[in-house]
Amino acid sequence: KAGVTQTPRYLIKTRGQQVTLSCSPISGHRSVSWYQQTPGQGLQFLFEYFSETQRNKGNFPGRFSGRQFSNSRSEMNVSTLELGDSALYLCASSFGGLGYEQYFGPGTRLTVT
Amino acid sequence: GQQVMQIPQYQHVQEGEDFTTYCNSSTTLSNIQWYKQRPGGHPVFLIQLVKSGEVKKQKRLTFQFGEAKKNSSLHITATQTTDVGTYFCAGYMNRDDKIIFGKGTRLHILP
Repeated sequence: KAGVTQTPRYLIKTRGQQVTLSCSPISGHRSVSWYQQTPGQGLQFLFEYFSETQRNKGNFPGRFSGRQFSNSRSEMNVSTLELGDSALYLCASSFGGLGYEQYFGPGTRLTVT
Repeated sequence: GQQVMQIPQYQHVQEGEDFTTYCNSSTTLSNIQWYKQRPGGHPVFLIQLVKSGEVKKQKRLTFQFGEAKKNSSLHITATQTTDVGTYFCAGYMNRDDKIIFGKGTRLHILP
């Protein structure tokens, strides 16, 4: 079974720009969640999508948004990038949602200059 | 707000020594999940504990879930260089359908 894939793996953007990250979950998984990982804050939950509906949202500003398509693939968008948005963005898929084991992708390393 | 605290933040051990990381939640958890992240890698699921007082073993790893379902521990016996990485706990609360990750314990093995 293929694992979770994320594209792109690395990204460099300038303050004020916007970025879209993509995540393809494991086949059969309907839940995709997104996390921001930084050295200081650890893994912080952004949001979760299940069957194209956002079920949960963490404490992040509205600049962070996402969506899920009918094939369960998900995208995350960050608008008006700030320096503090530099981080590793991980997506994870699971069969049933946040209460089930999460399978993480390799992440997208975003650097904002 | 709800928090999941993990200690210690860092741990250096000699190869062959034991290692333990602890996870404490401010609220009762529905389950707790443990993950391992190797340097430069992504978190990989290790185990999920659901029942009060549950103990599970995976070779040299022993996982416990407290009686009150507010704390958990991961113990590694006789560490090896392959154990290097950061160990995260993640507490799940069914009532809010919410997951909170601890900040992790980074394990260094000294040869």
